[in-house]
Amino acid sequence: EVQLVESGGGLVKPGGSLRLSCAASGFTFSNAWMSWVRQAPGKGLEWVGRIKSKADGGTTDYAAPVKGRFTISRDDSKTTLYLQMNSLKTEDTAVYYCSTLNVAYSNYWGQGTLVTVSS
Amino acid sequence: DIQMTQSPSSVSASVGDRVTITCQASQGINGWLAWYQQKPGKAPKLLIYAASSLQSGVPSRFSGSGSGTDFTLTISSLQPEDFATYYCQQANSFPLTFGGGTKVEIK
Repeated sequence: EVQLVESGGGLVKPGGSLRLSCAASGFTFSNAWMSWVRQAPGKGLEWVGRIKSKADGGTTDYAAPVKGRFTISRDDSKTTLYLQMNSLKTEDTAVYYCSTLNVAYSNYWGQGTLVTVSS
Repeated sequence: DIQMTQSPSSVSASVGDRVTITCQASQGINGWLAWYQQKPGKAPKLLIYAASSLQSGVPSRFSGSGSGTDFTLTISSLQPEDFATYYCQQANSFPLTFGGGTKVEIK
């Protein structure tokens, strides 16, 4: 059974940093393309970025609002996906979901972790 | 970036009704479209991919159609568990983009 479990969310001040983790199991993580999607309170879904498998180059793509501030990485030995978030803004407040990507469709999702950016 | 416009933003319907949600892309996306269902406090769930392919385990009352820029999600006979918010997402190019969502409410 595919499982994705996010952690690392919490309260952080504007300008601060936070690293989210997504522990994966039930599939061959090293072969998977992975993605982060966020959802601000009461709002719709917003794609954050994705990382390819190392076999496919391990490259990353980001949405414009987070480019240059957020970094997606992976540790295949730990079957864990990461989202390093720097220079956080109040508008980054959201539930952050990790997902597996089948081509460009998110077919499995974690339960999400809440990030609150507030002074 | 490709903009995705969903309509309506909300719909009130009764159990057994046929419900149709539309999604329009700002440019052609070659059928690279997904539909997701999200219930309050839960993660989204993939229902349809490639515009019309049903994800494994999804009931057959859900169907998708369309091509180019105009797409439709149809629920043929609404069930109590279908009251939720539905999102379309284009998968043609990065950055991936979602529609604003359609909330299906009980009439």
